[in-house]
This record gives sequence, C-alpha cells and structure tokens, in this order.
Amino acid sequence: GAVVSQHPSWVICKSGTSVKIECRSLDFQATTMFWYRQFPKQSLMLMATSNEGSKATYEQGVEKDKFLINHASLTLSTLTVTSAHPEDSSFYICSALGLAAFRNEQFFGPGTRLTVL
Amino acid sequence: SQQGEEDPQALSIQEGENATMNCSYKTSINNLQWYRQNSGRGLVHLILIRSNEREKHSGRLRVTLDTSKKSSSLLITASRAADTASYFCATVPNSGYALNFGKGTSLLVTP
Repeated sequence: GAVVSQHPSWVICKSGTSVKIECRSLDFQATTMFWYRQFPKQSLMLMATSNEGSKATYEQGVEKDKFLINHASLTLSTLTVTSAHPEDSSFYICSALGLAAFRNEQFFGPGTRLTVL
Repeated sequence: SQQGEEDPQALSIQEGENATMNCSYKTSINNLQWYRQNSGRGLVHLILIRSNEREKHSGRLRVTLDTSKKSSSLLITASRAADTASYFCATVPNSGYALNFGKGTSLLVTP
C-alpha cells in the first residue's frame, strides 16, 4: 500500500510561535492532500483540502490566515500553524489521495501531536 | 462537516464476543469506509464499501451498507483484547474525495 509520512510526530511550542508540519507521500504522487484536526476524545474534522499548485480550500470556520497550507510539489504538503495558542493544541493528521491505481483511496499519515504551552 | 453518527458511542465486551457498531449518514455517498484508531495514534483503514455494494467481508470484519436507510454496520467477530480501539465510519460524497468522519465508537474488549 501507499505510505504517507508526517513530520514531526510531535511538537511542543510556546504560545505565539509558528509551527510547520510536513506531509509527504513516499511512493506515489498526490495532487490532492487533506488536513484533519482531532481534539481529545473527538473525531477527525476536515480543515482544508490542499491541491498541488493552487490555493487550498478551507472548511467553514477554519482561518486560512492562521493555518497556512502549501502544496508545492506532488509529494509534499505543509501546514503552518501561525501564532499558535493553547487552543490550537490538537492532533493534526494529513491524508493523500491516490488516484488511478490506488482507486481514489486516501492514505493517512501517522499524525502530529501539537502542544502549545 | 461531520455527517456520520456512530452508535453506540462506547461498547464494552469480553473476548470472544462479537462487537457491532452502527453508522448513519445524511447525504448521498460514493462509498463508506471504516477506520480504526488506537489511543493517540494514526488511523488504520479497515474496509471500504461502495454505494452499489451491500455487504463486504475482510477476515473477522463484516460490513453492511443500506443506502435506503443511509446506514452501515461493522461487525467484528470473535473479538480479541487487541481489538480495543476507537472505530470511525467515514463517507465520501458523490462529488469530491474528502472524508466526512463520524463521531466514533470506543470499543473495549476485556480478556
């Protein structure tokens, strides 16, 4: 199966700083990647859809200026949490959409746990 | 936006018993998927069932889909302690690929 990695797997930062999370498709190209957020004991909520070479599409209620998404290549999408605050502490999970041979299935990264102090 | 609703929210059974989780959704779908998540970990894809399928099996897993009732069920037979995890259903709409996750069922299997 297709493999998606995330880096870092966990990060602790001070309030007001920015954090960048990388999502990579290791053995396939992904024109579309998705970013999800999961708060403790809750389900995954779609934050945005990241399309290679174009602007991301954000879900209602997600601030695009706070959560910057860049999808500069077919194997890499990044999510930058700008001016992070404690309420941004969460588990961030990306997925990459595998087309054609992968029958339009999404492959998930292992997640990044962000803790903002 | 969230559209799937799982029930029960929590399920506690003993090893060897079967576990059944249900999922309901609101809009037309292309397919429905079930995922497993161990505490604090990433998602594991279990099974995908397409809108024109009614039942699918994979090992000890059995998934049904009733598009007329907009519902699906996941049955885990002969459960093991290692099956303890949260289980989520997720739907893919007819247009687009983004997954809409349900709230999940927390399964506890005791030895």
